[in-house]
Amino acid sequence: ILNVEQSPQSLHVQEGDSTNFTCSFPSSNFYALHWYRWETAKSPEALFVMTLNGDEKKKGRISATLNTKEGYSYLYIKGSQPEDSATYLCAPTASKLTFGTGTRLQVTL
Amino acid sequence: GAVVSQHPSWVICKSGTSVKIECRSLDFQATTMFWYRQFPKQSLMLMATSNEGSKATYEQGVEKDKFLINHASLTLSTLTVTSAHPEDSSFYICSAEKGSGSYEQYFGPGTRLTVT
Repeated sequence: ILNVEQSPQSLHVQEGDSTNFTCSFPSSNFYALHWYRWETAKSPEALFVMTLNGDEKKKGRISATLNTKEGYSYLYIKGSQPEDSATYLCAPTASKLTFGTGTRLQVTL
Repeated sequence: GAVVSQHPSWVICKSGTSVKIECRSLDFQATTMFWYRQFPKQSLMLMATSNEGSKATYEQGVEKDKFLINHASLTLSTLTVTSAHPEDSSFYICSAEKGSGSYEQYFGPGTRLTVT
């Protein structure tokens, strides 16, 4: 079982601020890392899947990096907007997805 | 697209009764579906892996006789919570894997179960 930690647990930023959060996981027995965005009352939405050390993925204002040697991934949001408000989950995969508790982001005007 | 629906979105039942939750992949076929449970302020925990046409694989500590899983078609898996008790009250969410072994999982919106 992978021990996954996400920090911070919650985050409150102003519109236009850039922000980032961390996902830490054991670096051994790793296959891939998933990031999901989960808005209240909706389905978690897949953002990125990364497998290689040094991977960097980008989708609009959101990007993510992966360090498999030290066991962490960062998610960055540039110029946060209210619609970015959601819980961001990471899930490293060995034989199955193991989720962190998520970072709850709230973006206010 | 890859849309997964779940029904019902919420349900309240009395202790001792059984509740069935459906998970459907609407626009793709899913050989494998997954059932997760989330308690307040905790992470999504995998309960079982549901494989079409065969028995589900349960995670350690999950009672297979209490949480019955049926995956009779490539677009539908059901989870039945049998003889529900208040401690079974939780948020249950399913996902469907698009492409065997791809690890691309698409989630339903979840079901809030409250057992009184």
